[in-house]
Amino acid sequence: EPEVTQTPSHQVTQMGQEVILRCVPISNHLYFYWYRQILGQKVEFLVSFYNNEISEKSEIFDDQFSVERPDGSNFTLKIRSTKLEDSAMYFCASSTQGSAGELFFGEGSRLTVL
Amino acid sequence: AQKITQTQPGMFVQEKEAVTLDCTYDTSDPSYGLFWYKQPSSGEMIFLIYQGSYDQQNATEGRYSLNFQKARKSANLVISASQLGDSAMYFCAMREGNAGGYQKVTFGTGTKLQVIP
Repeated sequence: EPEVTQTPSHQVTQMGQEVILRCVPISNHLYFYWYRQILGQKVEFLVSFYNNEISEKSEIFDDQFSVERPDGSNFTLKIRSTKLEDSAMYFCASSTQGSAGELFFGEGSRLTVL
Repeated sequence: AQKITQTQPGMFVQEKEAVTLDCTYDTSDPSYGLFWYKQPSSGEMIFLIYQGSYDQQNATEGRYSLNFQKARKSANLVISASQLGDSAMYFCAMREGNAGGYQKVTFGTGTKLQVIP
């Protein structure tokens, strides 16, 4: 069964460092998303991406964040200068246009900022 | 106003019993979808069930069913014959807007279910 894959599964970084989280969405999906979940809290929307551009972003997705689909398969989330409060589980998701509505999630990348 | 409200932070259920996890939602969009996801302690998000706003019948997937009451704006998850492996966090979520457009999904705060042997 096709699935969304994310790497790394866990990354530890120093405050101020750049981090890139990678996702490979399901191959025929057209819509891509990043969500994050701070430990013990609810899942929060960060950004949606369609047709090679951001279609919506939340207040959390400030200038420190960027997304890219560099090669038609990978979908990356970059955090330019990490802060302690960026420590969270980051979920990539993808979906098809006109589908029954399921959002397929990856297993998540846990980011720990020290 | 919260778009998705889960009023039960935690629930206990006896193994083999049925349990209902509550979810209410708020939207003015006539076209929306409702999801339930399970998040075990390992952290991944597992899709359980989906209900579209225009679906006439309640969605069912194995032991999971969604009690969709549109007028009340509720979408409760019913798990029948609970198993120990059902112990997890359960999130209700809503997609608003046309299915032909992008799908921003808003999550509730979750309900932690513990199944007791």
